[in-house]
Amino acid sequence: GAGVSQTPSNKVTEKGKYVELRCDPISGHTALYWYRQSLGQGPEFLIYFQGTGAADDSGLPNDRFFAVRPEGSVSTLKIQRTERGDSAVYLCASSLAPGQGPDTQYFGPGTRLTVL
Amino acid sequence: AQSVTQLGSHVSVSEGALVLLRCNYSSSVPPYLFWYVQYPNQGLQLLLKYTSAATLVKGINGFEAEFKKSETSFHLTKPSAHMSDAAEYFCAVRDRGSTLGRLYFGRGTQLTVWP
Repeated sequence: GAGVSQTPSNKVTEKGKYVELRCDPISGHTALYWYRQSLGQGPEFLIYFQGTGAADDSGLPNDRFFAVRPEGSVSTLKIQRTERGDSAVYLCASSLAPGQGPDTQYFGPGTRLTVL
Repeated sequence: AQSVTQLGSHVSVSEGALVLLRCNYSSSVPPYLFWYVQYPNQGLQLLLKYTSAATLVKGINGFEAEFKKSETSFHLTKPSAHMSDAAEYFCAVRDRGSTLGRLYFGRGTQLTVWP
């Protein structure tokens, strides 16, 4: 079956602009995660959705970052007033549900965001 | 918060040699443990995971990892490296008993395989 997909694969924007990054999880997966991977680092957690609601948004760095998942499937990560420090690869992952033990998170290929 | 340490940001081996990638975690309660591999321009792919069964876990592509509670370690090994193993490898942990599911990753180890 289809894996996790993310669009766009690359996004170049100017400092101060608004961007949206999209994630389409594996069908049937209720859990969805966003991570950010800066150059030379491992992925860092941003936010976790269980269904439509954000169950854990403690990883969002500040209020410029926001994410939604209105119908419990596709999610959009929104970044306002982008800064050069936001440049990174944004990864999305989905899983059946963490409450069912150490479920496997399946990752998408990521969106490379470059803020000029 | 969890902390994951991967010793060695770069590891180089010859084709056919043993691969050993190190991972240590910080929590006093053993977490769930994962190894992921990332090929260039691709997403993270799960190699193997430790839950609570056998301490020696076998994964895909001939990799295996051993959980050692006394050493708080979960090192990844492969007896004989192939050129196709060249990639970046990430160790990750998840709090046992948590329903939130977030993973904590190490900084990664870039594996180079020489012919």
